[in-house]
Amino acid sequence: DTEVTQTPKHLVMGMTNKKSLKCEQHMGHRAMYWYKQKAKKPPELMFVYSYEKLSINESVPSRFSPECPNSSLLNLHLHALQPEDSALYLCASSQDPSGGASYEQYFGPGTRLTVT
Amino acid sequence: AQKVTQAQTEISVVEKEDVTLDCVYETRDTTYYLFWYKQPPSGELVFLIRRNSFDEQNEISGRYSWNFQKSTSSFNFTITASQVVDSAVYFCALAMNTGFQKLVFGTGTRLLVSP
Repeated sequence: DTEVTQTPKHLVMGMTNKKSLKCEQHMGHRAMYWYKQKAKKPPELMFVYSYEKLSINESVPSRFSPECPNSSLLNLHLHALQPEDSALYLCASSQDPSGGASYEQYFGPGTRLTVT
Repeated sequence: AQKVTQAQTEISVVEKEDVTLDCVYETRDTTYYLFWYKQPPSGELVFLIRRNSFDEQNEISGRYSWNFQKSTSSFNFTITASQVVDSAVYFCALAMNTGFQKLVFGTGTRLLVSP
């Protein structure tokens, strides 16, 4: 099973709201990722978790707060977002890359976020 | 620094035509990994292939084939007898052998296959 699921599919939130994006994988992967993708652009890496520990934060503003409760779940907590944060948020997982090799990442369908 | 260039922004073909998507990469590392992903209109990125820098063997998978040439730093992707379902944005990506799983994506090539 190479499926990564994400909820919700669509989210509209105001700038004062707090919401969370959820991601789940059951492939036994130990690395999980959050990406942000604007229209007609490639995905931009936001965070990487390896063995439930944050290993990469690509200088993401603190209004985005990731959480990895266990090896299968990844959350992205959103607070006080700006309209320019509207984008497709993609979650991905892969085998653990800490041994050096880079493995393919499997992506979820994404959450299309609109900030009003 | 690492960089991936996909010079073709958009390609339009008619069904059953063959089409090649170009990918040129830059890196000073001797060990690296190259990937192709497909992003259909639904939004999900679909993994197509992974190749490490020591494996220059070309690969064929059904209608898809990949030509890896280290001499020209290229990893081109050919779809034979294209179909409407091949319409998507295709991304080429590069990753290093550092243990930090960061993909450097190209800007993508939008492929439109018309009936």
